[in-house]
Amino acid sequence: DTGVSQNPRHKITKRGQNVTFRCDPISEHNRLYWYRQTLGQGPEFLTYFQNEAQLEKSRLLSDRFSAERPKGSFSTLEIQRTEQGDSAMYLCASSAGTGEYGGYTFGSGTRLTVV
Amino acid sequence: AQSVTQPDIHITVSEGASLELRCNYSYGATPYLFWYVQSPGQGLQLLLKYFSGDTLVQGIKGFEAEFKRSQSSFNLRKPSVHWSDAAEYFCAVGAGDTGRRALTFGSGTRLQVQP
Repeated sequence: DTGVSQNPRHKITKRGQNVTFRCDPISEHNRLYWYRQTLGQGPEFLTYFQNEAQLEKSRLLSDRFSAERPKGSFSTLEIQRTEQGDSAMYLCASSAGTGEYGGYTFGSGTRLTVV
Repeated sequence: AQSVTQPDIHITVSEGASLELRCNYSYGATPYLFWYVQSPGQGLQLLLKYFSGDTLVQGIKGFEAEFKRSQSSFNLRKPSVHWSDAAEYFCAVGAGDTGRRALTFGSGTRLQVQP
């Protein structure tokens, strides 16, 4: 068990480009979450998967954002036509079993800078 | 919708002194409450959580928190702070009673520990 892994750690992109981030949860965890954290703020919920099903989506997840978890294992978060306001740390977390509500294991995040 | 307020943006304490970090929440039903800690460049780590029962909750690293429904508060305490406790602390609330898994985080309190 190597924890939740996120790649890349850092991404710098030009405005208007598409970017994709990957999250590998702890292997036995069936629940996976994406959060976004801007400087000086707490994380904001984006979306949640149970296995491959996307069960919750925040209003923050605009049409330019899409998340997938095709086989119920790793997940990807894609941002199309990036804007400067998308600059943030994107955090992935995972959990498993009953009674684990809120007891998530977070990855170290992907820091996105849009220039 | 739920919300969390952490009134103190930045707190400085001396090593060995006691600590209390404030958290106020807003939620119409029974809240699920959490404290997370984030060290620089790291993901978030769960310190403790409250769902129901005893209103004084013990967590890891010697932290505890007390749920006070009448004050809508869930303050984090530690009797004696260590230099390694310097980090950012986030309070969060979840609507676990609804089955929704999104957590709402406060904006955080940065703790500095003086030698």
